[in-house]
Amino acid sequence: KAGVTQTPRYLIKTRGQQVTLSCSPISGHRSVSWYQQTPGQGLQFLFEYFSETQRNKGNFPGRFSGRQFSNSRSEMNVSTLELGDSALYLCASSLVSDTQYFGPGTRLTVL
Amino acid sequence: DQQVKQNSPSLSVQEGRISILNCDYTNSMFDYFLWYKKYPAEGPTFLISISSIKDKNEDGRFTVFLNKSAKHLSLHIVPSQPGDSAVYFCAANRMGSNYKLTFGKGTLLTVNP
Repeated sequence: KAGVTQTPRYLIKTRGQQVTLSCSPISGHRSVSWYQQTPGQGLQFLFEYFSETQRNKGNFPGRFSGRQFSNSRSEMNVSTLELGDSALYLCASSLVSDTQYFGPGTRLTVL
Repeated sequence: DQQVKQNSPSLSVQEGRISILNCDYTNSMFDYFLWYKKYPAEGPTFLISISSIKDKNEDGRFTVFLNKSAKHLSLHIVPSQPGDSAVYFCAANRMGSNYKLTFGKGTLLTVNP
């Protein structure tokens, strides 16, 4: 079974731009969560989607948003990028248990 | 407010010996705990988990111990192998808040040949 895939793997943007990241969960998984990893803050929860509905949200500004499609694929959008948004963005999918399986991440660099 | 803490940023052990990674939590509502391993430029890989109704869970070379009264869990790797060298993250979850893992900041384990 294929794992969680994320595209693109690397991205360079400039301040003020917006970016969209994509995540395809493991087949059959309906829950998709997004995390931000930075050296200073570690892994922080952004939001979680299930059946196209956002069920949980972390403490991030409204510039961070997401959505989930009927095939469970998910996208995450960050508008008006700031230097501090440079991070590794990780997507994880779950079936019905509490175990989340992570993708390889998208490395976003904001210049 | 860091609810999951891994107080050792790094740990170095010899191949064949035991590696013990520790994790403390403050939120008594957490009832499910997981360990992930992460290599550079890759996503975290699930290793092992434990529910709060247990105090030990074993899977091959990996054993997780949970001490609820102390709000402490540990991951034991025996025997340690050079391929185990990675960053290990402890994560916790709360019933009714599924799929919202709270992570520690990780411990870099180096296993020397």
